[in-house]
Amino acid sequence: SQTIHQWPATLVQPVGSPLSLECTVEGTSNPNLYWYRQAAGRGLQLLFYSVGIGQISSEVPQNLSASRPQDRQFILSSKKLLLSDSGFYLCAWSWLGNTEAFFGQGTRLTVV
Amino acid sequence: RKEVEQDPGPFNVPEGATVAFNCTYSNSASQSFFWYRQDCRKEPKLLMSVYSSGNEDGRFTAQLNRASQYISLLIRDSKLSDSATYLCVVNMGTGGGNKLTFGTGTQLKVEL
Repeated sequence: SQTIHQWPATLVQPVGSPLSLECTVEGTSNPNLYWYRQAAGRGLQLLFYSVGIGQISSEVPQNLSASRPQDRQFILSSKKLLLSDSGFYLCAWSWLGNTEAFFGQGTRLTVV
Repeated sequence: RKEVEQDPGPFNVPEGATVAFNCTYSNSASQSFFWYRQDCRKEPKLLMSVYSSGNEDGRFTAQLNRASQYISLLIRDSKLSDSATYLCVVNMGTGGGNKLTFGTGTQLKVEL
């Protein structure tokens, strides 16, 4: 069966510090990978998605970047965090085509 | 117009009641549709896919109306454990790509 791991679960970072969130998927090959953000009381916003190694599509311009160094690894980064980067970050994977996505447990980031 | 729109609620219903949620989407070319459930401070989890002919899973029934571009979820015999936020999800990817767009969710509270 497929599993998705995301860490850390909770993170408190000062403004201006860097960020690295990691997500890995097991039990499948060549998944589509996604990073979403959910601000408090808001819906899920798609930040990045990837259909393969090194292939990243950005949905919204922002202070964040994503990388996919390996088939089942997806990393969300920032060089300098802003207060507005606070939120619940969710990694997800799906098969190719019009299929459902499966989420990791999320990282709750608070920028102070 | 939002790509996927839902009434945020909350819907407060007594245990045993039947409750229905609707969701509208803007892209008539959307190919697949889902309902997710999200518990407080947790990741979204797939509740059910929505098929053109309508589908049922126990107490849950999902329907799709392509002509009017809306999706519905019916919950019969509500349980306390059904209390959660229900997210309408539309796949707006093209060319076989997967781009899940989430509504902001409808909150359900089932009470004794």
